Amino acid sequence: EPEVTQTPSHQVTQMGQEVILRCVPISNHLYFYWYRQILGQKVEFLVSFYNNEISEKSEIFDDQFSVERPDGSNFTLKIRSTKLEDSAMYFCAPSDGFNSPLHFGNGTRLTVT
Amino acid sequence: GQNIDQPTEMTATEGAIVQINCTYQTSGFNGLFWYQQHAGEAPTFLSYNVLDGLEEKGRFSSFLSRSKGYSYLLLKELQMKDSASYLCAVRDEGQTGQGFSFIFGKGTRLLVKP
Repeated sequence: EPEVTQTPSHQVTQMGQEVILRCVPISNHLYFYWYRQILGQKVEFLVSFYNNEISEKSEIFDDQFSVERPDGSNFTLKIRSTKLEDSAMYFCAPSDGFNSPLHFGNGTRLTVT
Repeated sequence: GQNIDQPTEMTATEGAIVQINCTYQTSGFNGLFWYQQHAGEAPTFLSYNVLDGLEEKGRFSSFLSRSKGYSYLLLKELQMKDSASYLCAVRDEGQTGQGFSFIFGKGTRLLVKP
């Protein structure tokens, strides 16, 4: 069973619109990661979160992206002005740190039209 | 730069053994992880190596040689349900050194035939 719940499971939006993807941890973890996977391509790192702060981010994670932990438990990934190329599966994945794997949530499928 | 290579596709027969190779070149190394991903689903964790050698977990085993930047995943007694993509991922130190990131290969699509 996944250790996080991601909502929505599928989001369709128009180009230029803002979207917010949510990740609700089921249990406590030290690290949280967001990844995306464009259809048919590899899983790509976006950003990691530790101790309520961003610890690492990739080149993909530009000014259009932001992450928050608005209530101290849930996580949100916001894309301010979506582009067609943002269409992908977005995964939230917690980890307990060193020697601990990522445990992916079921993902949100984002379709930008 | 960061690079993880895996074969794109492999085919094997039900009941047989298959070995999926992975080579990596990363700026740091804090472990190598194998994941299974069925089409349309999230990756699920299979196995992990941080030291050289073989880790066995039921029908799945994973091997690591850090000096060679090489790992393989061994699947025994193949079943039809093992048809999936297998992802090799290296846990890296990250760009800023403040945390870790997992770098994934493109995955190997395994087809198990009767």
